[in-house]
Amino acid sequence: GAVVSQHPSRVICKSGTSVKIECRSLDFQATTMFWYRQFPKQSLMLMATSNEGSKATYEQGVEKDKFLINHASLTLSTLTVTSAHPEDSSFYICSAATRDKIREKLFFGSGTQLSVL
Amino acid sequence: EDQVTQSPEALRLQEGESSSLNCSYTVSGLRGLFWYRQDPGKGPEFLFTLYSAGEEKEKERLKATLTKKESFLHITAPKPEDSATYLCAVLNYGGSQGNLIFGKGTKLSVKP
Repeated sequence: GAVVSQHPSRVICKSGTSVKIECRSLDFQATTMFWYRQFPKQSLMLMATSNEGSKATYEQGVEKDKFLINHASLTLSTLTVTSAHPEDSSFYICSAATRDKIREKLFFGSGTQLSVL
Repeated sequence: EDQVTQSPEALRLQEGESSSLNCSYTVSGLRGLFWYRQDPGKGPEFLFTLYSAGEEKEKERLKATLTKKESFLHITAPKPEDSATYLCAVLNYGGSQGNLIFGKGTKLSVKP
């Protein structure tokens, strides 16, 4: 099956710093990528939808100036958590959809555990 | 409001002890119901997509079924390696592909 690579898998940072998370589709071109966050024992919550070459669409309640998303190519999307605070600590997951299989399934990255001290 | 509820929250089984996980949903118009497996600290791994009531899909020891109100994930003779959190998600007609509505999952533990 298709592979989505996400890294880093784990990052610890100080409050006030910025953290960048990368999401790559390794063997297919992803016209659309999605970013989720997941708190312990909670559902995955969609944060934003990222389309190659255009601005991301953010879900209600997600600060676009805090969570910067860039989808510069068909295989790479990045999420930058700016001026991170302890409440931003969470598990962040990306996923990618292909044009042919968009109705069938998404392919998820392995996730990034962010801990803000 | 579209909603997905999974039960039980946690399930402990002995190896070989078959059981079922439940996913109840309310959605304005169902485009698809998805089952994923998630291991600790990992992203979800796709298992099945079901599109209409009465549909069934199987993969090794897993079988997913769908009715108009719920889906079941049946696990036959589970093994310790089946231990994981199983997530159910629905996609409605108004939602984009990524805007799946996820349940909180069922954490399955299979003891040898």
